[in-house]
Amino acid sequence: SQQGEEDPQALSIQEGENATMNCSYKTSINNLQWYRQNSGRGLVHLILIRSNEREKHSGRLRVTLDTSKKSSSLLITASRAADTASYFCAPSGFQKLVFGTGTRLLVSP
Amino acid sequence: DAGVIQSPRHEVTEMGQEVTLRCKPISGHNSLFWYRQTMMRGLELLIYFNNNVPIDDSGMPEDRFSAKMPNASFSTLKIQPSEPRDSAVYFCASSFEDLGETQYFGPGTRLLVL
Repeated sequence: SQQGEEDPQALSIQEGENATMNCSYKTSINNLQWYRQNSGRGLVHLILIRSNEREKHSGRLRVTLDTSKKSSSLLITASRAADTASYFCAPSGFQKLVFGTGTRLLVSP
Repeated sequence: DAGVIQSPRHEVTEMGQEVTLRCKPISGHNSLFWYRQTMMRGLELLIYFNNNVPIDDSGMPEDRFSAKMPNASFSTLKIQPSEPRDSAVYFCASSFEDLGETQYFGPGTRLLVL
């Protein structure tokens, strides 16, 4: 199993701005997933990108994957206060998911 | 679908008592995971089942913890005896595939051991 490392640990922005979070990992993967956790709630799956994909979109979310650099980024465009949460990446190589410490995003009105 | 269901949502108990956490996975999912989340250690995988069989329990802290999955629609995580350091939020998650695919999390059980 392997763990993704999210960067930055915390991010504070204003509503309407874009938020970018990064994830690095160490070994080869089959896919990489991003999850969101609102305070006091369980994790919610946002998006899964496979190792043969370079970019994927879902609504206001854009995920990129660079397997040569073993890194991924999550971009949230036109952020809203409701996007305030912790965001986790989970690289997967047919092994159990290991979640990092996440990026805490605060979006102020 | 109702999603992953966990009970109780909150549990307060005294040190030494037995605690049983329950989970009902999403119908049709064949993998079930138990996680524990604390501020100090983050989100830790305790054990996972595939087709009701425990596959990896290397994350179970010690013998005081045990987990069962008697059928495809029910799992329990038991702590006996409980200790204050077991205080955490315990999540159950399920997935359709085996390892590495999308997991669907329950709302968690917030456990406080006094």
